[in-house]
Amino acid sequence: SQQGEEDPQALSIQEGENATMNCSYKTSINNLQWYRQNSGRGLVHLILIRSNEREKHSGRLRVTLDTSKKSSSLLITASRAADTASYFCAPGAGSYQLTFGKGTKLSVIP
Amino acid sequence: DAGITQSPRHKVTETGTPVTLRCHQTENHRYMYWYRQDPGHGLRLIHYSYGVKDTDKGEVSDGYSVSRSKTEDFLLTLESATSSQTSVYFCAISETGTENSPLHFGNGTRLTVT
Repeated sequence: SQQGEEDPQALSIQEGENATMNCSYKTSINNLQWYRQNSGRGLVHLILIRSNEREKHSGRLRVTLDTSKKSSSLLITASRAADTASYFCAPGAGSYQLTFGKGTKLSVIP
Repeated sequence: DAGITQSPRHKVTETGTPVTLRCHQTENHRYMYWYRQDPGHGLRLIHYSYGVKDTDKGEVSDGYSVSRSKTEDFLLTLESATSSQTSVYFCAISETGTENSPLHFGNGTRLTVT
């Protein structure tokens, strides 16, 4: 399994703004997942993008994947205070042992 | 929320004592995982199970053992707790155990070893 690295480590924005966080990984992948973790809770799956997809949408979430750069980005549009959480990426490369990085801590200020 | 219950939610124990954490699922998923989460380290896999009585080690398995005698229960045991095992422990389940199958997490057990 391989670990993704999220960037930035922390991000603070005003409510209504867009939030973008990035994920980089080292080797070829089959897919990549994004998760959210609210304070004191477990991770919640947000979206999965396959290696043959460039972009995927789910509500206010937009995920892109650039396999040539080995990177992915998660965009949250029109952010809300309830989006305050940590966000993690998990590259999938043929193993069912998903590994998580340290995450991006997003703070949305009302 | 997926039907995952971790118990206890909080525990304080002394160095050298045995501790068992329990994960119970009602989803009938075959794959179950134990992770620990520490500041500066993200989530790290301790052990996982791919069926009843079938388990394997993750990246940080030293000092931990697991057992799975029923599909719904996955136990994590610290045979002799150490202060370095102070952490938040998360159980997760997966339907197929492949990278295409999202993980569903419990809400964690906060363990403090004094």
